[in-house]
Amino acid sequence: EAQVTQNPRYLITVTGKKLTVTCSQNMNHEYMSWYRQDPGLGLRQIYYSMNVEVTDKGDVPEGYKVSRKEKRNFPLILESPSPNQTSLYFCASSLSTSRNEQFFGPGTRLTVL
Amino acid sequence: AQTVTQSQPEMSVQEAETVTLSCTYDTSESDYYLFWYKQPPSRQMILVIRQEAYKQQNATENRFSVNFQKAAKSFSLKISDSQLGDAAMYFCASTAGNKLVFGAGTILRVKS
Repeated sequence: EAQVTQNPRYLITVTGKKLTVTCSQNMNHEYMSWYRQDPGLGLRQIYYSMNVEVTDKGDVPEGYKVSRKEKRNFPLILESPSPNQTSLYFCASSLSTSRNEQFFGPGTRLTVL
Repeated sequence: AQTVTQSQPEMSVQEAETVTLSCTYDTSESDYYLFWYKQPPSRQMILVIRQEAYKQQNATENRFSVNFQKAAKSFSLKISDSQLGDAAMYFCASTAGNKLVFGAGTILRVKS
């Protein structure tokens, strides 16, 4: 089954404790991205990747890191999480660019205390 | 920065009736794409419809259609014959180069 998977689905952590949210897709897509969803703000793009070893900032990249060492994986790293990063996070992939249909993962609910 | 504005935080529609969700955007690009995504209570994001800006014809997918007014930078979504399963949050989105910019969303409630 074609899908985007994210882990963990739920995470409660404390300020400053490094964490990684994994994202994997099995559709051989080139474009992958991370979004955060907050009430009243919709989805905001954090980072995106056009292909392996090619990443770029979205609109809200501060406090986040990403890497794209393999085509299928695009982990999101919070090196020192803060409470304002409490949010619902989505990973998405598409065939080649932002112009294609985005396939979204199920979301990760992150709470930083 | 490019923005997408959805001015209706919430809308209600009676089952079988028609509803229109509004979306405006700003862009300096001549070639861009617009989308409507649906997010039901399960949180899963699902593509509803996609429009290429250089195409004059409005996109249609079954009961879903758009009214694309390029000069006015408006991209509204019309849902005909509304069904209970249409109840969800709807997001409008626009490409901005290699990025994707979303609006704040509109919650659609469907009354039986």
